Amino acid sequence: GAVVSQHPSRVICKSGTSVKIECRSLDFQATTMFWYRQFPKQSLMLMATSNEGSKATYEQGVEKDKFLINHASLTLSTLTVTSAHPEDSSFYICSARDHGHSSYEQYFGPGTRLTVT
Amino acid sequence: GQNIDQPTEMTATEGAIVQINCTYQTSGFNGLFWYQQHAGEAPTFLSYNVLDGLEEKGRFSSFLSRSKGYSYLLLKELQMKDSASYLCAVVEGDYKLSFGAGTTVTVRA
Repeated sequence: GAVVSQHPSRVICKSGTSVKIECRSLDFQATTMFWYRQFPKQSLMLMATSNEGSKATYEQGVEKDKFLINHASLTLSTLTVTSAHPEDSSFYICSARDHGHSSYEQYFGPGTRLTVT
Repeated sequence: GQNIDQPTEMTATEGAIVQINCTYQTSGFNGLFWYQQHAGEAPTFLSYNVLDGLEEKGRFSSFLSRSKGYSYLLLKELQMKDSASYLCAVVEGDYKLSFGAGTTVTVRA
């Protein structure tokens, strides 16, 4: 149980275009999902907390107009990188908390490798 | 805010033991996770400590001292497949995880 999927696993896009990444909890409901970014040989940096049915909470320094988050259902959150630039190239990972459990554990998706050319 | 420190790299021989330390300074502490991450993959759960003491789970054990702001992950009987990055993550407040920079462990034959 507790499986989180992400789609796509890899994406290459041209500078100036937008890219949407999906994060799904497959066998549980997630009122809260998290989006992280990881640059090579660095740790995970939390970008934003996605709350079902309400606005996302962004971490300091993360542009909300550039990284659009939508959490329209209890099993799906999307991250849209708008007007992507080469410096946005990174490994994006989502995680989800099980709505039915009180534990702090987050279940991670397999990640999306974004390359902006 | 938070300040989470762990060594950058460690190298050990197959069959040996390695201890990865993690120190933290944070407010609203709600526990500490250890994750394993292979290159290009998502982190996988290893352990969660919220009370002081040692938690043993097979070849992996994790220790926490809340008063000292200190944790360690102990890997025993190292195998080649244990070569990976190990991430210490502190739970702050409303379920947010703050990660350390990660420790890359290399296991040599």
